[in-house]
Formats: sequence, structure tokens, C-alpha cells
Amino acid sequence: LAKTTQPISMDSYEGQEVNITCSHNNIATNDYITWYQQFPSQGPRFIIQGYKTKVTNEVASLFIPADRKSSTLSLPRVSLSDTAVYYCLVGDGSQGGATNKLIFGTGTLLAVQP
Amino acid sequence: DVKVTQSSRYLVKRTGEKVFLECVQDMDHENMFWYRQDPGLGLRLIYFSYDVKMKEKGDIPEGYSVSREKKERFSLILESASTNQTSMYLCASSLIDPQETQYFGPGTRLLVL
Repeated sequence: LAKTTQPISMDSYEGQEVNITCSHNNIATNDYITWYQQFPSQGPRFIIQGYKTKVTNEVASLFIPADRKSSTLSLPRVSLSDTAVYYCLVGDGSQGGATNKLIFGTGTLLAVQP
Repeated sequence: DVKVTQSSRYLVKRTGEKVFLECVQDMDHENMFWYRQDPGLGLRLIYFSYDVKMKEKGDIPEGYSVSREKKERFSLILESASTNQTSMYLCASSLIDPQETQYFGPGTRLLVL
């Protein structure tokens, strides 16, 4: 079973840029990389999705190198309200087939301090 | 806005009881998912369904079954609850491709005594 690896936790201060990296060595050719954010007592919610190179939306950027074996979520100028668990989600390329199982990482707890 | 609702936020059951967790989505999504979330283990997929009456096992299906009789409703069943099934259960739905954005419900925290 393919594994994704993220740091367990990260600390930051308000106003800083935060980069969270996810490793996914066995990503399938057609799989996208998706990041979710989860606050306590809530379900995860979608942040950003990409296939290669760089994607940017109003809340984050996603950097994906050419080999696609990792991805980096970048949060510009974080605030206290960005304190949450961040998950990366990729298909499991080792399974093959059209309905690859989706694998969540173990999540990174980002703690933003004043 | 997509809305995914789960029948209970908190549930307490006894070992051996049959437990039903219900999930309903209101956006006509094809796919529905059940995950469990445990500290240090992230989200693990139990089952997912890509159409009415269709289902596929996820990573940890043992001890669980599912039912999808209508498109909007996906039920998770614990035939005989055990203490190691104490967990947070999250339901999600997505449009067609499993890689499309998943919309999650608020979760059900289940305690099995």
C-alpha cells in the first residue's frame, strides 16, 4: 500500500509563510494531489488540488516537482484561524485500475501563535 | 452549498450492539465514502460507494458493512460493535470521479463501552 508522509506538526507565527510538504512515492500517472484542512470537531474541507507544477487560489499555493513524488502546500501570511490539521490526498498508484483507493496522509497539525 | 449530514454527532453503544450510522447528501453526488479517524492514524477509508447498491472495500472494512439503497443515503453498519471501533466516523461525498473534491459531514463520535 502506498504511503504518504507529512510532518506530524509545525509551529508558526502570525504573518509568516508556512510550507507543508507531503511525500507520495507511488503516485499514479493520472492521480491528482489534493489538500484538505480540518478544524476540531469538523470534517475536512477542500483547500487546493493540482497535477503538476504550480497551482494558486485565493487561500494557498501548491507546488509539485516534475517527478510528482512530493508536493508542498504553501500558506501565505498565516493567521491564528489557520491553526488546523492539514491532509494531503493522493490516489494509491500501487493498486492500479480506474478506481484507485484514495490515501490520506496522517496529517500535519499547524499551530499558529500570535 | 453541498450539505452532508450525519445522523448523530455523538453516540454511545455497548459491546455487541448493532450500530447504524447514517449519512445523507443533498447534491446528487455519485460517490459516497465512510472514513474513520483516530489519533496518529489520520483518516482511513472503510468503504466507498460509486452508485446505488454498489460498494467497494476501503483499507479497513473488517467489522463493517454498508448499504446504499438510495443515491443520497449511505449507511455504515457495525454488526456487533466492539471497543476497538470507538472512533470518529466521517462521511463524505463527491460528484463522479473519486478524485473530485470530497465534501465531508461533521462526523459522528462513537464510544463503544
